[in-house]
Amino acid sequence: AQRVTQPEKLLSVFKGAPVELKCNYSYSGSPELFWYVQYSRQRLQLLLRHISRESIKGFTADLNKGETSFHLKKPFAQEEDSAMYYCALSVSGGGADGLTFGKGTHLIIQP
Amino acid sequence: KAGVTQTPRYLIKTRGQQVTLSCSPISGHRSVSWYQQTPGQGLQFLFEYFSETQRNKGNFPGRFSGRQFSNSRSEMNVSTLELGDSALYLCASSSSGTGAPLHFGNGTRLTVT
Repeated sequence: AQRVTQPEKLLSVFKGAPVELKCNYSYSGSPELFWYVQYSRQRLQLLLRHISRESIKGFTADLNKGETSFHLKKPFAQEEDSAMYYCALSVSGGGADGLTFGKGTHLIIQP
Repeated sequence: KAGVTQTPRYLIKTRGQQVTLSCSPISGHRSVSWYQQTPGQGLQFLFEYFSETQRNKGNFPGRFSGRQFSNSRSEMNVSTLELGDSALYLCASSSSGTGAPLHFGNGTRLTVT
């Protein structure tokens, strides 16, 4: 069975500093990876997906199949980036088959 | 478009009772998925419906069931409630299910006493 691991429950960085939220997965096939974000008092929402290869709100994530990782990065953190971030995996695209989520990382950006 | 709507927002039930949760997807979305979120286990997939058919199911006991109506609205039922069923239940919809991103509702907070 597939698994997603986010090793940091809490990550605190200062505004303007680089941010990297780690995500490792285990799956023998070719999964699709996502990052979902939940801002305070808002619903869980898609931030980005690896097949899009785009930057959203300054965040990027590269799928590294050799290291089975999908780390989320941003060069300069902003206070509005404070949120819960979840890495998720789908084995058949999109997630309707059921996303496997990591436990989440609470990102706090200090002023 | 209106987002995914879940009702009720909060529920308190007693062990042994049953409960039904409702989800209205985004207009035009035909796929509805359900997730359970707890502090210990995180977000776990329950099941997914597309055009009134259950296509995928997670690893939950048979006490958890669902259905989808012709208008794509979905209900989730939990019978013989246990204390461990206390959780936030999230519903998500997508346009086609495959390749389309999920849009989540705000969830229903179920407390079992």
